[in-house]
Amino acid sequence: SQQGEEDPQALSIQEGENATMNCSYKTSINNLQWYRQNSGRGLVHLILIRSNEREKHSGRLRVTLDTSKKSSSLLITASRAADTASYFCATDEGSYIPTFGRGTSLIVHP
Amino acid sequence: DAGVIQSPRHEVTEMGQEVTLRCKPISGHDYLFWYRQTMMRGLELLIYFNNNVPIDDSGMPEDRFSAKMPNASFSTLKIQPSEPRDSAVYFCATSPAGSTEAFFGQGTRLTVV
Repeated sequence: SQQGEEDPQALSIQEGENATMNCSYKTSINNLQWYRQNSGRGLVHLILIRSNEREKHSGRLRVTLDTSKKSSSLLITASRAADTASYFCATDEGSYIPTFGRGTSLIVHP
Repeated sequence: DAGVIQSPRHEVTEMGQEVTLRCKPISGHDYLFWYRQTMMRGLELLIYFNNNVPIDDSGMPEDRFSAKMPNASFSTLKIQPSEPRDSAVYFCATSPAGSTEAFFGQGTRLTVV
C-alpha cells in the first residue's frame, strides 16, 4: 500500500524556475525521504528529513516537513533541464522499510 | 562497491514460462527489498529480507511469485507461471542496518507476451 502520495502528478516548467512538489502521508513516521528516478533507471536517494526536523537543505534542494499536517514538500530552486525526472517521497511507517508514493513527473524545458 | 546489481536488464517471455530475476546486493547491507513498478500501481513493495531471512512477503501478489535469499550476496525473485499482467519493472534495493536510505539497482524490465 502507498503511504505517501505526491502532488502534482506532473509538473512542467521552464529552466531557471523553481519546482515544488508535495507529499502527504497517513501514519506516524520516523523519517521521510525524497528520491529521484531518471527514465529507465533505478531510484536515487536525494535527502532525508527526520520527524523532529522542520526544514533541510542540500544544494538546490529544500525539504520541509509538517508532522501535524502529515505533509512534506520538495523545492528545487533554479531548475535545470537535467532535473527532468520523477520524484518520489518515501516514508518508513515507524519501521526501516521505505514505502513509496506514485511520484511527481517533472519536466524542465531548456 | 558497484552498487546493487540486477540481471537481466530486460526480459521478454511468453505467458506460462518461468521467469527468474536476480539481485546482488551491496556488501554489508542487511536489508534487501524487492519492488515492482507499474504506471497503474506505482512502486509496490513485494517482499523484504533482513539478514537473508524473509520478514514480510505480504506484498507478493500471488503464489506464482516466490523469492529467496540463499546467502548475503544473492537473491532471486521467481514468477512461475508468468502472465501478461506481471509485465512491469522489478527493482531490488538494499539498505544497511539502522538506516532507511535504500540503494536501488537499475531494475529488470519484464514483458510477458
